[in-house]
Amino acid sequence: AQSVTQLDSQVPVFEEAPVELRCNYSSSVSVYLFWYVQYPNQGLQLLLKYLSGSTLVKGINGFEAEFNKSQTSFHLRKPSVHISDTAEYFCAGMDSNYQLIWGAGTKLIIKP
Amino acid sequence: GAGVSQSPSNKVTEKGKDVELRCDPISGHTALYWYRQSLGQGLEFLIYFQGNSAPDKSGLPSDRFSAERTGGSVSTLTIQRTQQEDSAVYLCASSLGGSTTDTQYFGPGTRLTVL
Repeated sequence: AQSVTQLDSQVPVFEEAPVELRCNYSSSVSVYLFWYVQYPNQGLQLLLKYLSGSTLVKGINGFEAEFNKSQTSFHLRKPSVHISDTAEYFCAGMDSNYQLIWGAGTKLIIKP
Repeated sequence: GAGVSQSPSNKVTEKGKDVELRCDPISGHTALYWYRQSLGQGLEFLIYFQGNSAPDKSGLPSDRFSAERTGGSVSTLTIQRTQQEDSAVYLCASSLGGSTTDTQYFGPGTRLTVL
């Protein structure tokens, strides 16, 4: 079955600490991978995407993600988080019909 | 504004009633998507419109769900004979081109509650 799995429903982290949000995809999902972010009371917006090329993808607000084919992962990282990063983060991949399939989301909670 | 807009923002209805949800995409965007987001779950693809092509309806969960896009712009998602399991946030997104790798721009959603 085609699936995208976000292993953590919530990740609490102290401000200025590094963070990693985990995402794994099934091998039947194409290697077009996306991270979207939903800030409180706002719509989803694209953070970054991997289509091809360099496996390290840089996105907005200092986030980056690394595509790892052998581990079927696309984890999102930031070296130092800020209170403004409080949001829910969604990983998505593309299915065989070229539609996005989504993980369940990870809520990033920044502790002061 | 220049973003995707959706109306209403909230809709409460009784089981068995029909509802219509509206989406205004970004002007000039040829692709339009509808998704459903249930509590604690990721987005579920419902339907995709691209230009004048026949829509991809493969995600619609039942024949109670339908959608249309008039004039290549505004779209309406209709749910007939609503059931409690239809309660969710319904999201609309649009993208500039026809490739589904294009960035999708999302509206704020319509929260549907079926009593």
